[in-house]
Amino acid sequence: DGGITQSPKYLFRKEGQNVTLSCEQNLNHDAMYWYRQDPGQGLRLIYYSQIVNDFQKGDIAEGYSVSREKKESFPLTVTSAQKNPTAFYLCASSAPGQRQVEQYFGPGTRLTVT
Amino acid sequence: GENVEQHPSTLSVQEGDSAVIKCTYSDSASNYFPWYKQELGKGPQLIIDIRSNVGEKKDQRIAVTLNKTAKHFSLHITETQPEDSAVYFCAASRQSGGNEKLTFGTGTRLTIIP
Repeated sequence: DGGITQSPKYLFRKEGQNVTLSCEQNLNHDAMYWYRQDPGQGLRLIYYSQIVNDFQKGDIAEGYSVSREKKESFPLTVTSAQKNPTAFYLCASSAPGQRQVEQYFGPGTRLTVT
Repeated sequence: GENVEQHPSTLSVQEGDSAVIKCTYSDSASNYFPWYKQELGKGPQLIIDIRSNVGEKKDQRIAVTLNKTAKHFSLHITETQPEDSAVYFCAASRQSGGNEKLTFGTGTRLTIIP
């Protein structure tokens, strides 16, 4: 089955700890994205990567970091500098240059920091 | 940057009736407008999209209209069914040179009343 997997589905951490969210895709897509979703605020872009070993900040990158060492993987680290880390995190991928730039989303990871 | 506004935030319709969700955008250079459906606890899924070179697109019970002059686009769902209950997001993007950042609206929670 082709698709995007995010793990784990639920994640709990104590305040002050860094935590890394996993995102893997086997769609052979070049571009990958991380979004944060909060109630009533839609999806906000954290980071995106259009090619391996390259990534750009989105609209709310502060307190987050990413890496893109492999085409299929785009992990997101939520650092202790992120003031309000509790949220639903969504990873997506797309294949720029093809018929359309539909973004395919993973099932999400709900992070709770206490 | 792009700003997308979406209304209403919640919408309840009787099964079999039509539902309309509206979005406005600010960047006149935006040329790609997708609509996503998100079911509880899942990632969003693309249901229909439209590019700026057309004014309307239909797919069975779902249609999207675009008014470039007024910078607004709408999702129309006819003959609504219980499985249409979900949160719907509009988005806008300027497709050029591989930059596929999507700016999302804040979402509409649609409830179909049996």
